Amino acid sequence: NAGVTQTPKFRILKIGQSMTLQCAQDMNHNYMYWYRQDPGMGLKLIYYSVGAGITDKGEVPNGYNVSRSTTEYFPLRLELAAPSQTSVYFCASSDRQTGLGEKLFFGSGTQLSVL
Amino acid sequence: DQQVKQNSPSLSVQEGRISILNCDYTNSMFDYFLWYKKYPAEGPTFLISISSIKDKNEDGRFTVFLNKSAKHLSLHIVPSQPGDSAVYFCAASAGGAQKLVFGQGTRLTINP
Repeated sequence: NAGVTQTPKFRILKIGQSMTLQCAQDMNHNYMYWYRQDPGMGLKLIYYSVGAGITDKGEVPNGYNVSRSTTEYFPLRLELAAPSQTSVYFCASSDRQTGLGEKLFFGSGTQLSVL
Repeated sequence: DQQVKQNSPSLSVQEGRISILNCDYTNSMFDYFLWYKKYPAEGPTFLISISSIKDKNEDGRFTVFLNKSAKHLSLHIVPSQPGDSAVYFCAASAGGAQKLVFGQGTRLTINP
């Protein structure tokens, strides 16, 4: 059982470049999330989705875009990368319907550096 | 505006002793609290949770205590084991997982 899979694990971008962080889950969870973690800080919510075709902004959405065309996939797009986007990015999912929506299952993260 | 605070960035405990990790919050609307554990190069994993209608929840060696009047929760690990060495995040929500707010994390080191 793979759970939540993120690719790539590491990436270095130049300022102004774009990229997509991939996230897939095989647990048929309806909720999916993107978080970023900066050094010494907690996780900050970037975007979330409550189901296919439905996305909404979290606490720090600027500079990012998401889409959710299927239950399984929730890619995060960075347009015009900036040094402030250097961070570790985590994708997560949860099963709201069981009443355990706050029990998130996380991927192993993508470490992104923008130079 | 840090709604969930873990004021100790690190904690070192002897193997076999009790580890106590603390977390304070400011938002009185929080009604569900969780602890996550994170090893290096891995994502956080859920450890234990507590609803605001309770003041204690146990799961094996792990116990979470909630003091609503003080807006404080703590995680007790007894006895502490080397495999418990990790970063621990507390989190709180008010109305669903999309509102989950995380603390900064506490790095726990268990010494043999």
